[in-house]
Amino acid sequence: EAQVTQNPRYLITVTGKKLTVTCSQNMNHEYMSWYRQDPGLGLRQIYYSMNVEVTDKGDVPEGYKVSRKEKRNFPLILESPSPNQTSLYFCASGLQGTGANVLTFGAGSRLTVL
Amino acid sequence: GQQVMQIPQYQHVQEGEDFTTYCNSSTTLSNIQWYKQRPGGHPVFLIQLVKSGEVKKQKRLTFQFGEAKKNSSLHITATQTTDVGTYFCASASYGKLTFGQGTILTVHP
Repeated sequence: EAQVTQNPRYLITVTGKKLTVTCSQNMNHEYMSWYRQDPGLGLRQIYYSMNVEVTDKGDVPEGYKVSRKEKRNFPLILESPSPNQTSLYFCASGLQGTGANVLTFGAGSRLTVL
Repeated sequence: GQQVMQIPQYQHVQEGEDFTTYCNSSTTLSNIQWYKQRPGGHPVFLIQLVKSGEVKKQKRLTFQFGEAKKNSSLHITATQTTDVGTYFCASASYGKLTFGQGTILTVHP
């Protein structure tokens, strides 16, 4: 089944404890991206990748890191999480590198930072 | 950067009534995408429009892209309870994707 898989789905952590949210797609998509969703603010793009080894900042990249060492994986790293990073996170992938195409979203990862 | 404003933020309708959500930008958009997110779910792609004045239909849903490519709308005819959720517009520009704030639709039976 074609899908985007995120893990973990739920996580409660404490300030400063490094964590990684994994994202994997099995559709051979060029494009991958991360978003956070907060009430009243919609979806905001954190980082995106138009191809392997190519990553760029979205609108809210502060406090996050990403890497795209292989096509299928695009992990989101929070080196030192803070409470303002408590949010619902979505990973998405798309066939074309520009992102101007059908995006398939993962099920989401709900992160709470205490 | 690109900004997309979406209104209304909330819409409550009785089942059978129509619903419309609007997206506006101060700059010309190369494309507009629409997504639906059910409560507790993830965004699901509905459609993409790229041409000036483009109109596309999916059953009861009608999508429009303005002539100037600065606005778009999603219209649902005769809403059903299955239409509940948040509807987002989004525009992509060289990998950067900007979403509208979304319209939360509630349908009362």
